[in-house]
Amino acid sequence: DAGVIQSPRHEVTEMGQEVTLRCKPISGHDYLFWYRQTMMRGLELLIYFNNNVPIDDSGMPEDRFSAKMPNASFSTLKIQPSEPRDSAVYFCASSLGQKAFFGQGTRLTVV
Amino acid sequence: GIQVEQSPPDLILQEGANSTLRCNFSDSVNNLQWFHQNPWGQLINLFYIPSGTKQNGRLSATTVATERYSLLYISSSQTTDSGVYFCAVRGSNSGYALNFGKGTSLLVTP
Repeated sequence: DAGVIQSPRHEVTEMGQEVTLRCKPISGHDYLFWYRQTMMRGLELLIYFNNNVPIDDSGMPEDRFSAKMPNASFSTLKIQPSEPRDSAVYFCASSLGQKAFFGQGTRLTVV
Repeated sequence: GIQVEQSPPDLILQEGANSTLRCNFSDSVNNLQWFHQNPWGQLINLFYIPSGTKQNGRLSATTVATERYSLLYISSSQTTDSGVYFCAVRGSNSGYALNFGKGTSLLVTP
């Protein structure tokens, strides 16, 4: 299995631009999570899905953030418009049962 | 939500030394996992251990759920053990997602 695949690995964008992060979970996993990691706040949950349905989006910072999971093998996290304070590493993770497996993350820099 | 505290925040070891990392949590949990984030940023799942003891090579973990703590033991440390170790828990009365501690940053020197 290739594991959780995220793209792009690195993204540099200008303030105000739209950014889309992508995630392919491990095949057969029924939960998908989006986390954000910063030095100040550590690893924080943004949103998670179960069987493609959003279950808890209380961690999404504001309306500029949105996430979708159109099918079991693909999810996106979109930021529109992006701001410098959105700079962070964004991780996608998936699980079936108890153990969670993380992708390699997308390092986002908003200038 | 459930609080997760890890100690120590930083640790420097010489190669070959042993260490114990601690994770305290504020409420009952039904899921506890230990992760290693390597210097390249990748998060690797080490253990799923909501209770009891597990061992995997030089690493072992123990969770005492009734006392709300977990320990990660690293024996005969190697430079490749460097990185940040995270404890993550799911509260018995909360949703399905994991809540992470702030981690223990470990540096193993030659």
